[in-house]
Amino acid sequence: DTGVSQNPRHKITKRGQNVTFRCDPISEHNRLYWYRQTLGQGPEFLTYFQNEAQLEKSRLLSDRFSAERPKGSFSTLEIQRTEQGDSAMYLCASSPQGDLQPYEQYFGPGTRLTVT
Amino acid sequence: DQQVKQNSPSLSVQEGRISILNCDYTNSMFDYFLWYKKYPAEGPTFLISISSIKDKNEDGRFTVFLNKSAKHLSLHIVPSQPGDSAVYFCAAKFNNAGNMLTFGGGTRLMVKP
Repeated sequence: DTGVSQNPRHKITKRGQNVTFRCDPISEHNRLYWYRQTLGQGPEFLTYFQNEAQLEKSRLLSDRFSAERPKGSFSTLEIQRTEQGDSAMYLCASSPQGDLQPYEQYFGPGTRLTVT
Repeated sequence: DQQVKQNSPSLSVQEGRISILNCDYTNSMFDYFLWYKKYPAEGPTFLISISSIKDKNEDGRFTVFLNKSAKHLSLHIVPSQPGDSAVYFCAAKFNNAGNMLTFGGGTRLMVKP
């Protein structure tokens, strides 16, 4: 399977704990995106990488959130001191580099985080 | 403020009939629009897209129409099939280097046999 994979698929944690999610993009894709989706809403952009460089961060990404993409391959998203408001589906997407239509991003299945 | 809006949270149609899903946007700087389909427990999958310089794009049973003056786009599915039942998201892209997408809230389509 050459699609985008995310682990874990589900995570339940207690408020105040740290959590880390992993995303493995499609291997030849240079760009990697993180989105967050809450119930009844569409995905909201969090951050994106071009290879290993983090080039854009949304204002939604508070100081408790950090993302990395070492060596331009897989990426991790860490949330420190989780809050109940962090409960959401965290989606990862990847795309080839360049400005070619249709600008499609390929999404993984997501990691559902529940903070109790 | 929501820059991309899907005002109908749900839509129910009979198999074989046309499904029309609507999307409105507020920012004139969007230069490209995409529709994604999402099944439960899966990530969104790309369906069809349209550039802001066009007003129609067709792919099989799916057609997207863009009305720039009204800042409105729609997705037509003809004929609708039960397998089309899913949540449909409209997304828009700014003309910038990152190509980040701004999504609407989604419309749940139910196609009844």
